[in-house]
Amino acid sequence: RKEVEQDPGPFNVPEGATVAFNCTYSNSASQSFFWYRQDCRKEPKLLMSVYSSGNEDGRFTAQLNRASQYISLLIRDSKLSDSATYLCVVSSGGSNYKLTFGKGTLLTVNP
Amino acid sequence: DAGITQSPRYKITETGRQVTLMCHQTWSHSYMFWYRQDLGHGLRLIYYSAAADITDKGEVPDGYVVSRSKTENFPLTLESATRSQTSVYFCASSDGGSYNSPLHFGNGTRLTVT
Repeated sequence: RKEVEQDPGPFNVPEGATVAFNCTYSNSASQSFFWYRQDCRKEPKLLMSVYSSGNEDGRFTAQLNRASQYISLLIRDSKLSDSATYLCVVSSGGSNYKLTFGKGTLLTVNP
Repeated sequence: DAGITQSPRYKITETGRQVTLMCHQTWSHSYMFWYRQDLGHGLRLIYYSAAADITDKGEVPDGYVVSRSKTENFPLTLESATRSQTSVYFCASSDGGSYNSPLHFGNGTRLTVT
């Protein structure tokens, strides 16, 4: 099992749609979880950290299920500007500063 | 705000040549990292450093050398470039101060080895 696995995508959705990304990780000792977004030919940028209790930032909701080693990201009311690749990121167990990236899921929001 | 800067942005070199990619951060972050990003592989860790003079291998270190004589700089050297090292290279830093310390990335170096 790969360390971090994401939906391969791509996802094409209309503006206003709700879209969900899923991610699983293999190391049960992982402590830090993030979602990053990456625009075409740009560097990855932090979208949000993922906390055990789940957390929300505007239209974005992140959930963590430690028992199933599963992370999700929900985007409500999609905007054209949400079009990007979404990267699931998990710390390597035992070292919170060393992060492993999923391959990413490409989202295209269409007008 | 300068943050973390990489140079050059683009580099074309020939097989067998040595090339150095530069990374500089102004945050005094303890941790610095080099990743490469390739289609089909995503971001893979090459080397990382927890502090000045402390470096360690990541997932794909072969063919690369790093040094960290100063906290703010973390250069990556390809000793004898090969075509398989054609990639986009990202430097990143983190303060590592808490379990949720994120990485902050430079804007990348696009390297082509001919």
